[in-house]
Amino acid sequence: EVQLLESGGGLVQPGGYLRLSCAASEFTFSNYAMSWVRQAPGKGLEWVAAIGGTGGDIYYTDSVKGRFTISRDNSKNTLYLLMDSLRAEDTALYYCAKGTAAPRPHYFDVWGQGTLVTVSS
Amino acid sequence: EVVLTQSPATLSLSPGERATLTCRASQSVRGYLAWYQQKPGQAPRLLIYDVSNRATGIPARFSGGGSGPDFTLTINSLEPEDFAVYYCQQRNNWPYTFGQGTQLDIK
Repeated sequence: EVQLLESGGGLVQPGGYLRLSCAASEFTFSNYAMSWVRQAPGKGLEWVAAIGGTGGDIYYTDSVKGRFTISRDNSKNTLYLLMDSLRAEDTALYYCAKGTAAPRPHYFDVWGQGTLVTVSS
Repeated sequence: EVVLTQSPATLSLSPGERATLTCRASQSVRGYLAWYQQKPGQAPRLLIYDVSNRATGIPARFSGGGSGPDFTLTINSLEPEDFAVYYCQQRNNWPYTFGQGTQLDIK
């Protein structure tokens, strides 16, 4: 079964950093673009970042540019999101999502269960 | 940024009825629009892509249509498991954007 498993969330103070990971299984990871999508408590979905299958073609939403870095290790079938200078408004459930294509993800046909990031003092 | 506005915010219907949800784009997204379903405590599920194509395993009662700026998701003969929140998403422009969601409730 195609699966994505996120980890690395937690409670962090404003200005702090976290690294999220997403372990992929049962599909050829390098063939697909991947994304992070977040959902603040009780709110809708917000696309955050995307990365092409080879690690190029990187895109971010404006609110995280310069603070978040998306990367991937195809030898480990793992996607990462390094989040720095965290703000209260970054508090959300962060989903790892498999794109339906590459180098751009287009749509998201497989999602993880999410990892919760809480930014608070 | 492309703003997707979904209507209505909440739709209350009974099982067996037809639901029609709308997504309006603030600028052209060509044919690059998808619909997702999200149930409480679950991740979203892709239902429709490129306006009218059903994703793998999606029942035929779900259909998508429309052309810019208005797109629709129609659910024929609602089943109890269809009551959820529905989101549209565009991939024509960066950043990818989602609508704010339509809550489909049991009447």
